[in-house]
Amino acid sequence: KNEVEQSPQNLTAQEGEFITINCSYSVGISALHWLQQHPGGGIVSLFMLSSGKKKHGRLIATINIQEKHSSLHITASHPRDSAVYICAVIMNRDDKIIFGKGTRLHILP
Amino acid sequence: DVKVTQSSRYLVKRTGEKVFLECVQDMDHENMFWYRQDPGLGLRLIYFSYDVKMKEKGDIPEGYSVSREKKERFSLILESASTNQTSMYLCASSLCQVTGSDTEAFFGQGTRLTVV
Repeated sequence: KNEVEQSPQNLTAQEGEFITINCSYSVGISALHWLQQHPGGGIVSLFMLSSGKKKHGRLIATINIQEKHSSLHITASHPRDSAVYICAVIMNRDDKIIFGKGTRLHILP
Repeated sequence: DVKVTQSSRYLVKRTGEKVFLECVQDMDHENMFWYRQDPGLGLRLIYFSYDVKMKEKGDIPEGYSVSREKKERFSLILESASTNQTSMYLCASSLCQVTGSDTEAFFGQGTRLTVV
């Protein structure tokens, strides 16, 4: 069983739609990252969360520590948001970073 | 403002070559990690290190070794590269939770290695 599960695996939406990507984890964590990877590109950290909510431009990330769940939201989505979004958790028992398998997002113009 | 630097973005090596992938961080982090990313499998942990001279096997260490002679540098070594080691390799670093309150991780840009 994967310790970090993301859903959906793939998502196609029209430009302008509100996007939600979910991440659930089964281990104790000290922090969670949302990462973005464009096709053929490197990995960029969008957010680091240990509680609550963070907002950066059109991106919003939330985390519920009790429910072991985090969501990444994109408002007014744009084709340039097309990328793979990866959830990564830092385990509090040994500092290891564990990644979800990613959500491939495709925004159609 | 680059904090974790991987020496190459793209590499092409021949089967049987010894390959060094270098990762340097400038944040005095104790923890450093090497992962590989493959389609359908996501990012998997190869090796990690909690301090200088220390190394621990991750989930897929076969065919790899590492070196951490200085705190800021963590090298991944492919002793004899094979085609099944063609992948994207990612380095990450973080502070040890015992000594630091900030548990944020930082990620390199990745190295796309092709073994031919």
